[in-house]
Amino acid sequence: KAGVTQTPRYLIKTRGQQVTLSCSPISGHRSVSWYQQTPGQGLQFLFEYFSETQRNKGNFPGRFSGRQFSNSRSEMNVSTLELGDSALYLCASSWRGGLTDTQYFGPGTRLTVL
Amino acid sequence: QQQVKQSPQSLIVQKGGISIINCAYENTAFDYFPWYQQFPGKGPALLIAIRPDVSEKKEGRFTISFNKSAKQFSLHIMDSQPGDSATYFCAASTETSGSRLTFGEGTQLTVNP
Repeated sequence: KAGVTQTPRYLIKTRGQQVTLSCSPISGHRSVSWYQQTPGQGLQFLFEYFSETQRNKGNFPGRFSGRQFSNSRSEMNVSTLELGDSALYLCASSWRGGLTDTQYFGPGTRLTVL
Repeated sequence: QQQVKQSPQSLIVQKGGISIINCAYENTAFDYFPWYQQFPGKGPALLIAIRPDVSEKKEGRFTISFNKSAKQFSLHIMDSQPGDSATYFCAASTETSGSRLTFGEGTQLTVNP
């Protein structure tokens, strides 16, 4: 079974631009969560999508948004990029997003904002 | 109240030794406590997890000890190997938050040969 894939793996943007990251979950998984990983703040939950609906949201500004398609693939968008948005963005998929469902993480997209 | 505190930040052990990483939490609604292992350039991978109705869970060389009254849990890696060198994260979630994981700060483990 193929793992979680994320594209692109690396991105360089400048302040003020916007960016879209893509995540393809493991086949059959319907829940997709997004996390931001930085050296200072660690791993922080952004949001979770299940059956095309946002089911959970972390404490990030509205510049961070996402969506999920009918095939469970998900995208996240960051508008008006700031230097502090430089991070590794991780996507995780699970069967239903239930409490004990194993979450499988992708390798991440490394975003650098200049 | 949503935080999970993890220590130490870094840990160096000799091959064959025992690695111990500790986590503490405040939110008594946390109901699931997984540990993740992350290698450079990779996403975190689930290592082992525990629910608060048991005090210990063992899988191979990895053991979680859980102290509900103290709101603490720890990961023990027995017979540590150089291949175990990675960053380890404890995490927690609640029944209502489901897949939303609150992570500890991470522990960089180095196992010297």
